[in-house]
Amino acid sequence: DTGVSQDPRHKITKRGQNVTFRCDPISEHNRLYWYRQTLGQGPEFLTYFQNEAQLEKSRLLSDRFSAERPKGSFSTLEIQRTEQGDSAMYLCASSLVSASVRFFGPGTRLTVL
Amino acid sequence: DQQVKQNSPSLSVQEGRISILNCDYTNSMFDYFLWYKKYPAEGPTFLISISSIKDKNEDGRFTVFLNKSAKHLSLHIVPSQPGDSAVYFCAASEPGGGADGLTFGKGTHLIIQP
Repeated sequence: DTGVSQDPRHKITKRGQNVTFRCDPISEHNRLYWYRQTLGQGPEFLTYFQNEAQLEKSRLLSDRFSAERPKGSFSTLEIQRTEQGDSAMYLCASSLVSASVRFFGPGTRLTVL
Repeated sequence: DQQVKQNSPSLSVQEGRISILNCDYTNSMFDYFLWYKKYPAEGPTFLISISSIKDKNEDGRFTVFLNKSAKHLSLHIVPSQPGDSAVYFCAASEPGGGADGLTFGKGTHLIIQP
């Protein structure tokens, strides 16, 4: 399978704990995006990388959130001191620089108790 | 302020008939529009797209129509099949992809009745 993969698929954590998610994009894609989706909403943009450079961050990305893509391949999204409002589906997508079509992974569903 | 609006949260269509999903946008800078389909517990899957220089794009059973003057696009599925039951998201981007990536609507849940 050469699509976008995400790990874990589900994460349940207690409020105040830190969590980290991983995304492996399609191998030849140099852009990688993180989105968040809550119930009844469409995906909301969080941040994106071109190769290893983080080029844009949404105002939704509070200082408790940090994303990295150290070697321009996989990416991690860390949430520190989780809050119940962080409960959502976290989606990763990738694309070629020149393309507007993003290909999404299956998502990581986070539940903060 | 929602820049991409899907005003119908759900739509029920009989199998074999045409499904028409609508989307309105407010940002005149959008120049590329996409439809994604999402099953429960899966990520969105790209379905079809259209550039603002066109008014129609067709791919098999799926056709997207763009009316720039009305800032409106629609997705037609004909004939509708049971496997088409899913949530459909309309999305738009500005030239070069835009700093915010894609802007999505809230989705329309399409239910195909046997």
